[in-house]
Amino acid sequence: DAKTTQPPSMDCAEGRAANLPCNHSTISGNEYVYWYRQIHSQGPQYIIHGLKNNETNEMASLIITEDRKSSTLILPHATLRDTAVYYCIVRVNRDDKIIFGKGTRLHILP
Amino acid sequence: NAGVTQTPKFQVLKTGQSMTLQCAQDMNHEYMSWYRQDPGMGLRLIHYSVGAGITDQGEVPNGYNVSRSTTEDFPLRLLSAAPSQTSVYFCASTRMGLGTEAFFGQGTRLTVV
Repeated sequence: DAKTTQPPSMDCAEGRAANLPCNHSTISGNEYVYWYRQIHSQGPQYIIHGLKNNETNEMASLIITEDRKSSTLILPHATLRDTAVYYCIVRVNRDDKIIFGKGTRLHILP
Repeated sequence: NAGVTQTPKFQVLKTGQSMTLQCAQDMNHEYMSWYRQDPGMGLRLIHYSVGAGITDQGEVPNGYNVSRSTTEDFPLRLLSAAPSQTSVYFCASTRMGLGTEAFFGQGTRLTVV
């Protein structure tokens, strides 16, 4: 089973920041948090990952709580092209399986 | 750099037929995996491999076989297709170890009639 919990859907106005939450209360010390997104029925696309510290790249920012039990993906200026299903994944370290949950369907509203 | 290449993109099979979905990557990744995605659902792991000669089952392995004779290729075989295997299939690859991103193919849309 997936080790993460995400809201099934969210709306965000175009141009505003989209904040997507993820709970991973059973995460262990050396497991990373990854975010992917899937636009329409294309293959999932990597966005960002982190261990303990907050991370930022050209696509998004990842904020991980100090206890590492939850995280938030931030898309700073959402556009219509960000409409997608966003998956939060905790990487199982002993065998590197990548297990997807149900994700959050993000609707960007014009 | 082609990344992860899946063939075919579309396929229609009759119940009971067999076929192989191909997946190839040119990034020298040790880890490769197959997923299926049913309409409106998330991705479910079928089989995965951590290197040539090593494969293991994922969440939904029944009805599928895999082998990994080379680092580059990870074919998925349907032994006797059933309508329940109608789905979109994605292949992925990544370097082993934590902190590495996975790359996905564009999918194979399979219909079993």
